Amino acid sequence: GENVEQHPSTLSVQEGDSAVIKCTYSDSASNYFPWYKQELGKRPQLIIDIRSNVGEKKDQRIAVTLNKTAKHFSLHITETQPEDSAVYFCAARFNQFYFGTGTSLTVIP
Amino acid sequence: EPEVTQTPSHQVTQMGQEVILRCVPISNHLYFYWYRQILGQKVEFLVSFYNNEISEKSEIFDDQFSVERPDGSNFTLKIRSTKLEDSAMYFCASSRSHRDLAKNIQYFGAGTRLSVL
Repeated sequence: GENVEQHPSTLSVQEGDSAVIKCTYSDSASNYFPWYKQELGKRPQLIIDIRSNVGEKKDQRIAVTLNKTAKHFSLHITETQPEDSAVYFCAARFNQFYFGTGTSLTVIP
Repeated sequence: EPEVTQTPSHQVTQMGQEVILRCVPISNHLYFYWYRQILGQKVEFLVSFYNNEISEKSEIFDDQFSVERPDGSNFTLKIRSTKLEDSAMYFCASSRSHRDLAKNIQYFGAGTRLSVL
C-alpha cells in the first residue's frame, strides 16, 4: 500500500515568515494530494489540493507543489499569521486516502 | 454551506460494550468514509462505502467493526465489543464521487470522541 511521510513534525516560525512542509509518497499511482488543516479539537479541513497532472497550485498565501518523478509534494505558506497555527496533514490517494503523520505549525507573534 | 454532522460529539463506554457512531453525510454525496485519529497521531482510513456496500477497508477495520446506511440519510459505524485501544476520535466524511477527481473532495464531520474505560 501507499506510505506517506511528512516532515517536519513540528515547525515554529516568526509571524510574517514562510513555512514549508514536505511529504513523500511511495505509490506512483497516487493521483490526488490534498492538504488539511486541523485546529486543536476540530475536524480536518481541506485547505488546498493538487492533482497529478498539475505541478503547482496557488491560493492566496498557500501554495502546493508536486514533483511526480521524485514522488514528493510540499505545502508553502507565505506571510504566516498566528491563526495559521495548527496541525497540517498531507494525504495521497489512489484508492484510499493515506495521511501523513502531521506537522504542528506554531506561528510566533 | 452543507456540512457533515456527527453524533454524539463524545461517547463514553465500558470495555466490551457495543457503540454506534452516527453520521449524516452531505445530502447529494454518494461516497461515505470513516476515519479514526488516536490522540496525537495521524488520521487513519477505516472504510469507504458506496451503493450500500463497502468499497474498501483497511486492516484496522476488522470483524469488530461494521457500517450501515439504515435509511436515506444516516451512515453509522458500529463497534461490537469495544477495547481500550478503540479510544480515538472518529471522523465521518463524504464526497460526491470517488474516482472523478473533480468531485472527490472529502468533507469531514466534526468527529465523535470515543472513550473506552
